Amino acid sequence: DADVTQTPRNRITKTGKRIMLECSQTKGHDRMYWYRQDPGLGLQLIYYSFDVKDINKGEISDGYSVSRQAQAKFSLSLESAIPNQTALYFCATSDSGTPGELFFGEGSRLTVL
Amino acid sequence: GESVGLHLPTLSVQEGDNSIINCAYSNSASDYFIWYKQESGKGPQFIIDIRSNMDKRQGQRVTVLLNKTVKHLSLQIAATQPGDSAVYFCAETRTGGYQKVTFGTGTKLQVIP
Repeated sequence: DADVTQTPRNRITKTGKRIMLECSQTKGHDRMYWYRQDPGLGLQLIYYSFDVKDINKGEISDGYSVSRQAQAKFSLSLESAIPNQTALYFCATSDSGTPGELFFGEGSRLTVL
Repeated sequence: GESVGLHLPTLSVQEGDNSIINCAYSNSASDYFIWYKQESGKGPQFIIDIRSNMDKRQGQRVTVLLNKTVKHLSLQIAATQPGDSAVYFCAETRTGGYQKVTFGTGTKLQVIP
């Protein structure tokens, strides 16, 4: 089983719909992240959380919200999806002792029509 | 309007040759640097890291070089194999406290058999 699990892996939705992407981890890490990847581009940080009570905006948080339900769960929501949010979304975790060593999920491909 | 993804820089290398992938980082305060490998359809995977108190670190078939004077990082892969074909990202962060990890745009490595 994967250490970092994202659901759904693929989703097609329509403009204006609310979408939630979920992430769960079994690594016991305190830090969790949501990144967005567009074709041919790097990873842009949307939100990150260093523990259950800590939520921080990343570079591109507009149009997104997150919830850290437990140490092992971090969900990303698009309240009203728009076509330019079509992208590949990655959840990642890290341990505070090795902050740069991120463990990524397999990604959630979202298409907004 | 329609957005067009940028084309990743591509490095084509003959199987068995050495590969050198370069990265310029932006934040002078960063003191911890990481290389990630992303294979097609997968999330990025940690390869090797280096802290700013070092200028070279070696792993299995990989070497990372850090030049803080010009804010440059490189990844050298010895005896490149077909399985090395992937997109490679450098990333930077700061140790201590709550610091996010920022990724570069990536380089695509194509290994020619």
